[in-house]
Amino acid sequence: DGGITQSPKYLFRKEGQNVTLSCEQNLNHDAMYWYRQDPGQGLRLIYYSQIVNDFQKGDIAEGYSVSREKKESFPLTVTSAQKNPTAFYLCASSSTGTYRGEQYFGPGTRLTVT
Amino acid sequence: KQEVTQIPAALSVPEGENLVLNCSFTDSAIYNLQWFRQDPGKGLTSLLLIQSSQREQTSGRLNASLDKSSGRSTLYIAASQPGDSATYLCAVREYSGAGSYQLTFGKGTKLSVIP
Repeated sequence: DGGITQSPKYLFRKEGQNVTLSCEQNLNHDAMYWYRQDPGQGLRLIYYSQIVNDFQKGDIAEGYSVSREKKESFPLTVTSAQKNPTAFYLCASSSTGTYRGEQYFGPGTRLTVT
Repeated sequence: KQEVTQIPAALSVPEGENLVLNCSFTDSAIYNLQWFRQDPGKGLTSLLLIQSSQREQTSGRLNASLDKSSGRSTLYIAASQPGDSATYLCAVREYSGAGSYQLTFGKGTKLSVIP
């Protein structure tokens, strides 16, 4: 089955620790995205990557880092510099180019930092 | 900067009723518009995608329309069922430079279908 997997589903960390969220896709998509969702705020773009070894900051990149060493994988690290990391994190992928570019989403990771 | 608005924020209807969800956007220079469904604690499921050159798309009981010039889209759900209860989000796809495209999301409409 083609799709996007995110792990873990729930993640608990102490303040001051870095944590890495996994995202893998087997849709053969070039583009991958990380979003953050908070109640009442909608989805906000953290980072995105259009091709391997290249990525760009989204609207709220501060305190986050990413890598794109393989087409299938786009891990997100939430660093201790992120002031309010508790949130629901969603990974997505799409084809590139002007036509369609329909985004498909993973099941999400809920991160709680105390 | 693009802004996407969905009104109402929440909607409750009795089972069997037809309903319309609204989405508006401020910049009409979009490539497409996508409607998603999100169940509590889950990821987003793509329902329909309308290209900027299209007026509507249909899938089963769902029909989405797009009026790009006025910056509006509607999602029509026919004969609603309790299983339709979820949050519905719309998002517009725009060119963000350097060969990249991004989605801008609305905050969603939370739909409750009462048996």
